[in-house]
Amino acid sequence: EAQVTQNPRYLITVTGKKLTVTCSQNMNHEYMSWYRQDPGLGLRQIYYSMNVEVTDKGDVPEGYKVSRKEKRNFPLILESPSPNQTSLYFCASSLLTSGRGDTQYFGPGTRLTVL
Amino acid sequence: LAKTTQPISMDSYEGQEVNITCSHNNIATNDYITWYQQFPSQGPRFIIQGYKTKVTNEVASLFIPADRKSSTLSLPRVSLSDTAVYYCLVGPSLTGGGNKLTFGTGTQLKVEL
Repeated sequence: EAQVTQNPRYLITVTGKKLTVTCSQNMNHEYMSWYRQDPGLGLRQIYYSMNVEVTDKGDVPEGYKVSRKEKRNFPLILESPSPNQTSLYFCASSLLTSGRGDTQYFGPGTRLTVL
Repeated sequence: LAKTTQPISMDSYEGQEVNITCSHNNIATNDYITWYQQFPSQGPRFIIQGYKTKVTNEVASLFIPADRKSSTLSLPRVSLSDTAVYYCLVGPSLTGGGNKLTFGTGTQLKVEL
């Protein structure tokens, strides 16, 4: 089944304790992206990657790191989490198709709470 | 990216047709119009996409007038399971200069018996 998976789905941690949220897709998509969703603010892009070893900042990259060493994986790293990073995180992927619009496939989400 | 405006909420009853209109006056020539659906605590799900005129799939129809300054998502015969937030997005493709999806606050559709 074509899908985007994220782990963990739920995480409660403390300020300053490094964590990684994994994202994996099995659709051979070049493009992957991370979003966070907060009440009243909608979904905001954190980082995106157009292909392996190619990453770039989105709208709210502060406090986050990403890497794209393999096409299928795009982990989100919080080196020193803070309470303002408490949020619902979504990973998404898309095939890059020229000449028409894109369809992004979203993972199930990771609910992160930083105490 | 073109700014979009859509109603904050809509109510309907099972079996009715629901039309959600999105305004995007500043749409650019290479922009596509895409609608996503999101249930609580789940990731958005692609519903339909179009560039001009009418597009129909097994889930919905998308009507786009000639000036492309607005679009209407039509959901035929809604059921309780269609209760969700619906987002209208306008922007270029990833290969056409876009790198992200910009989600607004969407339209909360509530379907009742």
